[in-house]
Amino acid sequence: AQTVTQSQPEMSVQEAETVTLSCTYDTSESDYYLFWYKQPPSRQMILVIRQEAYKQQNATENRFSVNFQKAAKSFSLKISDSQLGDAAMYFCAYSYVSSSGTYKYIFGTGTRLKVLA
Amino acid sequence: DAGVTQSPTHLIKTRGQQVTLRCSPKSGHDTVSWYQQALGQGPQFIFQYYEEEERQRGNFPDRFSGHQFPNYSSELNVNALLLGDSALYLCASSLANPRYTHYEQYFGPGTRLTVT
Repeated sequence: AQTVTQSQPEMSVQEAETVTLSCTYDTSESDYYLFWYKQPPSRQMILVIRQEAYKQQNATENRFSVNFQKAAKSFSLKISDSQLGDAAMYFCAYSYVSSSGTYKYIFGTGTRLKVLA
Repeated sequence: DAGVTQSPTHLIKTRGQQVTLRCSPKSGHDTVSWYQQALGQGPQFIFQYYEEEERQRGNFPDRFSGHQFPNYSSELNVNALLLGDSALYLCASSLANPRYTHYEQYFGPGTRLTVT
């Protein structure tokens, strides 16, 4: 069974500093996607970044980048130049196409990021 | 371009009652998935609808049922409510073929259900 684990319930970072959120997953699939979602108090899930498993190059979106280690099944998120607006719950998610042709997300338990002014 | 919308925003029900939550997918999307997010937890997959049929189901009892309409909107119904059903219910829309959208799902703002 596929699982996603986020071992850091809460992290804090000083404004303008860099922070890394950890995520590990377990799967026997070879073709899948990994995502980081941000959920602020407004509850809206916002896609931060995605990574295709078949791509060796780590994805980057402005201040957000990932360290994807496929063999180790690790997918960490690095936030550079942290801003107050980055404060939120961050969820790591995994998605694959099942034998029925459908796909769903499997989420981790989340990491609450606090940004200190 | 309207994103995913959900109604109502908040709902309070009593144990044993029934509830219906509604979702309109992002324009152009044909698939709707429902997730339950308990307080302090990550979302858990309930089921997915495509072409008005349930395509895949997570580990939820039959008290949870759904429906998809010809315009792709969807309803989530929960019967015989339990205190443990209190949660944020998220709707996500997507295209049936994940290759077109890199497996991405677009989420609505959720419905907060409180069972007393």
